[in-house]
Amino acid sequence: KQEVTQIPAALSVPEGENLVLNCSFTDSAIYNLQWFRQDPGKGLTSLLLIQSSQREQTSGRLNASLDKSSGRSTLYIAASQPGDSATYLCAVNSGATNKLIFGTGTLLAVQP
Amino acid sequence: EAGVVQSPRYKIIEKKQPVAFWCNPISGHNTLYWYRQNLGQGPELLIRYENEEAVDDSQLPKDRFSAERLKGVDSTLKIQPAELGDSAVYLCASSRGQSADTQYFGPGTRLTVL
Repeated sequence: KQEVTQIPAALSVPEGENLVLNCSFTDSAIYNLQWFRQDPGKGLTSLLLIQSSQREQTSGRLNASLDKSSGRSTLYIAASQPGDSATYLCAVNSGATNKLIFGTGTLLAVQP
Repeated sequence: EAGVVQSPRYKIIEKKQPVAFWCNPISGHNTLYWYRQNLGQGPELLIRYENEEAVDDSQLPKDRFSAERLKGVDSTLKIQPAELGDSAVYLCASSRGQSADTQYFGPGTRLTVL
């Protein structure tokens, strides 16, 4: 059974810092991995999707990497801003059914 | 392009009452998902539809939960009767249908059962 873990559970950083969020999964046979952002009381916004054949994806100040063999992904946020404050969730898709298995998220607070 | 629409956004009911949630997916998206998100947890899939067909409902508590997707567009998720433990956010998502596709989520319905 696929299990997804995110560390740390919460993180507080001053504005401008670069930071890394971690995601690990137990079954390396994944189809793809997605990083989402969730603001309080809101739904999920997809940030980056990495296919199993890819090593990383970039969008603006965000960079996500994938090491399938070790069961790990990282989300790197450069030059953090207060507007980046949210919960970040990673989810793995373990097969053609497109069923996402989510981690419990990392709550990020960027202090002005 | 409009996103996934859900209603109501909030619902408070007493236990043993019925409740229903509605979802309108993004136009042209064949696959629709219902997730439940408990406080402090990631979402968990309840049911997935490919057009009108429920292709994965293994996590749906079928004794009290039901869902339908008539005409392969809008979907309704129902709970009858609701229990205290059903308090959660119910999220609807849609995708074009291919395995590699991004899932787009609605804002969710926050259910509180008293």
